[in-house]
Amino acid sequence: AQSVTQLDSHVSVSEGTPVLLRCNYSSSYSPSLFWYVQHPNKGLQLLLKYTSAATLVKGINGFEAEFKKSETSFHLTKPSAHMSDAAEYFCVVSESGYNKLIFGAGTRLAVHP
Amino acid sequence: DTAVSQTPKYLVTQMGNDKSIKCEQNLGHDTMYWYKQDSKKFLKIMFSYNNKELIINETVPNRFSPKSPDKAHLNLHINSLELGDSAVYFCASSQAREGRRFEQYFGPGTRLTVT
Repeated sequence: AQSVTQLDSHVSVSEGTPVLLRCNYSSSYSPSLFWYVQHPNKGLQLLLKYTSAATLVKGINGFEAEFKKSETSFHLTKPSAHMSDAAEYFCVVSESGYNKLIFGAGTRLAVHP
Repeated sequence: DTAVSQTPKYLVTQMGNDKSIKCEQNLGHDTMYWYKQDSKKFLKIMFSYNNKELIINETVPNRFSPKSPDKAHLNLHINSLELGDSAVYFCASSQAREGRRFEQYFGPGTRLTVT
């Protein structure tokens, strides 16, 4: 069975400093991996996705993530945090063949001035 | 131009009532989903329809019944509402096209409160 572990439930950074949100996955198949963002009282927006092409994936708003099979990780990074990045971030793995997404528990990112 | 829309956005009702949430997508996708997000923000899939056919049915009480009149719509009907049904319900859609098979687009959510 596939699963996702987000290693930090809360991350707090200062504006202008780097962001690192950690994610480890478990999958029997070659996985598809995603990061979604949810701003307060909003729906989910796709940040980026990995589907067995380049291991370094660039997304929207300056975010990127690197797929590391040896470490079963898919950490999300951004060089410089902005106040508008404050939100809940979900790491997601897809279950092969059925379009079923398995969500991590989420990481709440706080950005301070 | 909303891609995935849900109505209503907020729904407050009493225990025992029956209610429906509607979802529509204008992306031309052939697969639609319902997810439940609990009070701790945990998201879990409930159902998925592909071209009006049920393909995913998680362990959900049979008080929940999805209905897909066409591939652009997936409605969720809930009978005999219970306090534990209070959550945010998200609709999503995707297109089963190689290379983009699992990319799902989400609606804004419906916050259901059962009192």
